[in-house]
Amino acid sequence: DAGVIQSPRHEVTEMGQEVTLRCKPISGHNSLFWYRQTMMRGLELLIYFNNNVPIDDSGMPEDRFSAKMPNASFSTLKIQPSEPRDSAVYFCASRTGPPSNQPQHFGDGTRLSIL
Amino acid sequence: GNSVTQMEGPVTLSEEAFLTINCTYTATGYPSLFWYVQYPGEGLQLLLKATKADDKGSNKGFEATYRKETTSFHLEKGSVQVSDSAVYFCALSGQGGSEKLVFGKGTKLTVNP
Repeated sequence: DAGVIQSPRHEVTEMGQEVTLRCKPISGHNSLFWYRQTMMRGLELLIYFNNNVPIDDSGMPEDRFSAKMPNASFSTLKIQPSEPRDSAVYFCASRTGPPSNQPQHFGDGTRLSIL
Repeated sequence: GNSVTQMEGPVTLSEEAFLTINCTYTATGYPSLFWYVQYPGEGLQLLLKATKADDKGSNKGFEATYRKETTSFHLEKGSVQVSDSAVYFCALSGQGGSEKLVFGKGTKLTVNP
């Protein structure tokens, strides 16, 4: 079975450029989560969707970040303009449910480096 | 709000040693509890879970018991292998449909041959 698929796996770009990260959740999962992982801050939830609708975006750092989920099989996280402090590994996860005891399934992440 | 505290790492053990990684939580009601594992260069994978008090989750020789009286969910393995080297995360999700997972900071385990 295909897991959560993220692309690209690695992205290196210069500050000021627009960055788009992509995620394909597991088929049939109705919740999707975007996380950011850094050494300093650990794993942070940025935003999550239920049935393609954003439910909580309180973790989105600032207006430079935006996320969309146009359909059940695709989501994007966009950073515009990008800054060096955005360098991190970004994970997408999906899950069935509720209930909340269903586990989240993670993709392998996108390693983003902003120069 | 809900929170998870797990022991600081890194933890370094020899092969076949006994492993304990402590995890305590703060939450209202009856959260579900999880252990995730992250191998180098990969995403997090569910290792085990428990959804009610006194439940024991187990997988690949790892175990953790949901202890409501001590608000703990400690991870144990009787005999670790080099292949268990990874970062381990304790997490909880709240009761009542709250879908957010709250993670601990992670504990890096290195097992030497």
